[in-house]
Amino acid sequence: GAVVSQHPSRVICKSGTSVKIECRSLDFQATTMFWYRQFPKQSLMLMATSNEGSKATYEQGVEKDKFLINHASLTLSTLTVTSAHPEDSSFYICSAAPGQGYYEQYFGPGTRLTVT
Amino acid sequence: GDSVTQMEGPVTLSEEAFLTINCTYTATGYPSLFWYVQYPGEGLQLLLKATKADDKGSNKGFEATYRKETTSFHLEKGSVQVSDSAVYFCALTGQGAQKLVFGQGTRLTINP
Repeated sequence: GAVVSQHPSRVICKSGTSVKIECRSLDFQATTMFWYRQFPKQSLMLMATSNEGSKATYEQGVEKDKFLINHASLTLSTLTVTSAHPEDSSFYICSAAPGQGYYEQYFGPGTRLTVT
Repeated sequence: GDSVTQMEGPVTLSEEAFLTINCTYTATGYPSLFWYVQYPGEGLQLLLKATKADDKGSNKGFEATYRKETTSFHLEKGSVQVSDSAVYFCALTGQGAQKLVFGQGTRLTINP
């Protein structure tokens, strides 16, 4: 149980375009979802936390107008990278938790974004 | 703020060797501590956890003990296998919180 999927697994886009990444909880309802960014050979950096039906809470230094997060249902959250630039190239990972407060997070397999 | 520092890699061992990956933390109160593993091309998987002092988390032959006096949560395995090759992340959540704070990760390679 507790499976989280991400789509696409890899995406290449041109500079200036937008790209959407989906995160789905397949067998549980995810009240809270998290989006992380992982740079090569580095740790995961939390970008934002989203609760279903509410606006996402962004970490300091993360541009909310550039990284749009939507958590419209209990099984789906999307991250849209707007006007992508090469420096946005990274590995984006989502996680989902079945409640607010202390619940274990289940991680998706990640999406490799390359901006050319 | 809360932080996690773990042993820098990469670490390369031979099969059946003993493994230790050090992890220390800084946090107020009583955080929960975790080890996650990331196999090549995959997302993170929870390996083990401990939620209070002196708890020992264990899974798949790996163990880690929550040591509050030394603020440590070192990962150990008595005999590693080639299939253990992965990146290992130590992490914590603050007391009563859900946000995970990760260490920098340690890449482990096991040679046959």
